[in-house]
Amino acid sequence: DAGVIQSPRHEVTEMGQEVTLRCKPISGHDYLFWYRQTMMRGLELLIYFNNNVPIDDSGMPEDRFSAKMPNASFSTLKIQPSEPRDSAVYFCASKGGGAGATGELFFGEGSRLTVL
Amino acid sequence: GNSVTQMEGPVTLSEEAFLTINCTYTATGYPSLFWYVQYPGEGLQLLLKATKADDKGSNKGFEATYRKETTSFHLEKGSVQVSDSAVYFCALGPSGGYNKLIFGAGTRLAVHP
Repeated sequence: DAGVIQSPRHEVTEMGQEVTLRCKPISGHDYLFWYRQTMMRGLELLIYFNNNVPIDDSGMPEDRFSAKMPNASFSTLKIQPSEPRDSAVYFCASKGGGAGATGELFFGEGSRLTVL
Repeated sequence: GNSVTQMEGPVTLSEEAFLTINCTYTATGYPSLFWYVQYPGEGLQLLLKATKADDKGSNKGFEATYRKETTSFHLEKGSVQVSDSAVYFCALGPSGGYNKLIFGAGTRLAVHP
């Protein structure tokens, strides 16, 4: 089975540009999470979805960040406009929530964003 | 509120040494506790978990026991290998669901031959 797939793996952009990160969760998983990892702040939950519906976006830093999940197999995290302090590794994770689910989060390999 | 505190790294050990990485938590109710591992260039993977007090999670030679009286979930391994070099994260899943996992800062482990 394919794991959680994220793209791009690396993104270097200039301040003010729009950045779009993409995620394909594991098939059949009905929860999807976006995390941000930095040296200073560690691993932070930005937003999570259940059955494509955003449940909690309290971790989204500000209005420059937005996330969508148009269907069960695709999600995007967009930053517009980007700033140097947005430089981080962004992880997508998914998990199943139905009967027999273990609660385990499955992470993608991350998208490393550098904003110059 | 809920929080997780891990010992700061890096932890540097020789192969076959004993490993302990401390983790303590603050939580209301009865949380679930997890250890995740992140190998270089990869995402996090679940290493082990415990869902109630006195449970012991174990996997790949690693163990951790859920101690409610000391609010701790320390990770141990009797004999580490070079391949165990990674960053280890303690995490807490609040009562009522795992959805908002709260992660510690992570502890980097470096094992030398």
